[in-house]
Amino acid sequence: TQLLEQSPQFLSIQEGENLTVYCNSSSVFSSLQWYRQEPGEGPVLLVTVVTGGEVKKLKRLTFQFGDARKDSSLHITAAQPGDTGLYLCAGADMRFGAGTRLTVKP
Amino acid sequence: NAGVTQTPKFQVLKTGQSMTLQCAQDMNHNSMYWYRQDPGMGLRLIYYSASEGTTDKGEVPNGYNVSRLNKREFSLRLESAAPSQTSVYFCASSGLTGTGETQYFGPGTRLLVL
Repeated sequence: TQLLEQSPQFLSIQEGENLTVYCNSSSVFSSLQWYRQEPGEGPVLLVTVVTGGEVKKLKRLTFQFGDARKDSSLHITAAQPGDTGLYLCAGADMRFGAGTRLTVKP
Repeated sequence: NAGVTQTPKFQVLKTGQSMTLQCAQDMNHNSMYWYRQDPGMGLRLIYYSASEGTTDKGEVPNGYNVSRLNKREFSLRLESAAPSQTSVYFCASSGLTGTGETQYFGPGTRLLVL
């Protein structure tokens, strides 16, 4: 079982700012997924990363998988209020980190 | 194509009562999951089913039972509810996509045990 640690736990920023959130483990991931969950809804998959060093971009979101496949980051450029939500990472065993709760203020 | 559906959306139980949470998916997925989500703890896996007729324990199975009735349906039963089972319960199914196994979640069931 891989234990996933996400940081920070909470993040509150102004619209237009940039931010990075992290997902770390002491074990090697075979793959890692990032989800966003909005209040009152289930998580929705954003991206899956598989290869060490991989970088994937989804509009203003950039996902990076560490070279050693033990960590991952999510960077959001010019955050918007619509980015508000809980960002979760999950390993291939379908176990989740506790998440980063992001609030973007207009 | 409804994806993953869950019933009920909300439920209030008294300690000791029993209930079954229903989940169905129409994506022809083999794997299905039940999670609970508590504040500050993310999603924790209760049980999963890799295929019709099989079920396995996850991280927090105590106090729960599951049934994989057929490929579409995966139910979660609380035989004797306890206040510690107050939570939001999510069902998910997963299938292979171009980048690996992808989970699709239902909208959740909010359970309050008094």
